[in-house]
Amino acid sequence: DAKTTQPNSMESNEEEPVHLPCNHSTISGTDYIHWYRQLPSQGPEYVIHGLTSNVNNRMASLAIAEDRKSSTLILHRATLRDAAVYYCILIANDMRFGAGTRLTVKP
Amino acid sequence: NAGVTQTPKFQVLKTGQSMTLQCAQDMNHEYMSWYRQDPGMGLRLIHYSVGAGITDQGEVPNGYNVSRSTTEDFPLRLLSAAPSQTSVYFCASSYSLWDETYEQYFGPGTRLTVT
Repeated sequence: DAKTTQPNSMESNEEEPVHLPCNHSTISGTDYIHWYRQLPSQGPEYVIHGLTSNVNNRMASLAIAEDRKSSTLILHRATLRDAAVYYCILIANDMRFGAGTRLTVKP
Repeated sequence: NAGVTQTPKFQVLKTGQSMTLQCAQDMNHEYMSWYRQDPGMGLRLIHYSVGAGITDQGEVPNGYNVSRSTTEDFPLRLLSAAPSQTSVYFCASSYSLWDETYEQYFGPGTRLTVT
């Protein structure tokens, strides 16, 4: 299974943009890139997904490198409620989580 | 829609006891799965099902059984609880995993402690 690599933790200031990176150098041509986040004491929730093109939704933007070996989740204006663990996942036959990036947002 | 529901929210078991964690969804989703999350760790896939009557193993299936007799329900059975199974258990569902555009919906979790 293709694996992803994310930094263990990142910090951001409230109201500033946050760029969360993910490396997936062994991605195959048909693997979708999904991002989920897990707020404290809750189950994970879907954030965004993409295949080749950059994607935007109400929660975030996803920028995918041209060679698809990396991607970046962009939160345009971080709020305190965005403090969570963010997971970058490649969907193959099942969905497996890595350790994710713990985002801390400072007021 | 209630989404994905899990019962109980909390459970304490003694070593060797058995129990069933319940999971139900009302979204007519074909794909359902169980994960466990140990403190400070990411989620690990235990078992999954692509439809009624079909189940398969994930990363950490030992000590757990599943069955899928209906589309709505996907119970997880602990056969003989061990302290190593102390964890938070999450159930999830989606329309289909084979179509990778579908998102998974997660339940609120069951916090299990085995003493």
